[in-house]
Amino acid sequence: GQQLNQSPQSMFIQEGEDVSMNCTSSSIFNTWLWYKQDPGEGPVLLIALYKAGELTSNGRLTAQFGITRKDSFLNISASIPSDVGIYFCAGQLLAGTASKLTFGTGTRLQVTL
Amino acid sequence: NAGVTQTPKFQVLKTGQSMTLQCAQDMNHNSMYWYRQDPGMGLRLIYYSASEGTTDKGEVPNGYNVSRLNKREFSLRLESAAPSQTSVYFCASSETTTRAFFGQGTRLTVV
Repeated sequence: GQQLNQSPQSMFIQEGEDVSMNCTSSSIFNTWLWYKQDPGEGPVLLIALYKAGELTSNGRLTAQFGITRKDSFLNISASIPSDVGIYFCAGQLLAGTASKLTFGTGTRLQVTL
Repeated sequence: NAGVTQTPKFQVLKTGQSMTLQCAQDMNHNSMYWYRQDPGMGLRLIYYSASEGTTDKGEVPNGYNVSRLNKREFSLRLESAAPSQTSVYFCASSETTTRAFFGQGTRLTVV
């Protein structure tokens, strides 16, 4: 099945550093979404992107919808310990009257003091 | 506001046993989904339901059945559990073109 390639798979950074991760696909998506998952919890939406080229921020998080519609990037500035978790990108397509989300394999972020 | 509620949170089954995972949402969303999450695989769509009374296969439907009981509830059934179905299962709901909200997950182990 269709899958999104997400990189890096894991990151170990120091508090205060900036973080970048990206997601690429062989297919075009209408919408790109970025989720964060804490241990034992379901994914929670961080940022939604709806147009090619769109750049959107949510606090210290900034995400971009790639011009080709086949990729997206997430940046976290000045990381803090609570940023620890798994970050998933997801591409959204309309299929009939439902929207289907295809998820990346995740980037595990660990932050040290 | 509970959002998406899944039960049970944990379950251990023996190979060949059956069970149903329950999911309910209180956001009046039309669309509901079942995903499984395995290490290194992200979340993969098992089945989805665009609206009450309709269901469609996702990426990995084999070994599962679903029922959209009403607008609020979407259940996932394993008729004969296999060790390969050991996973964390997530239910989600959304309006058609907007963000999906996830439940807390059901951790299933098949021995």
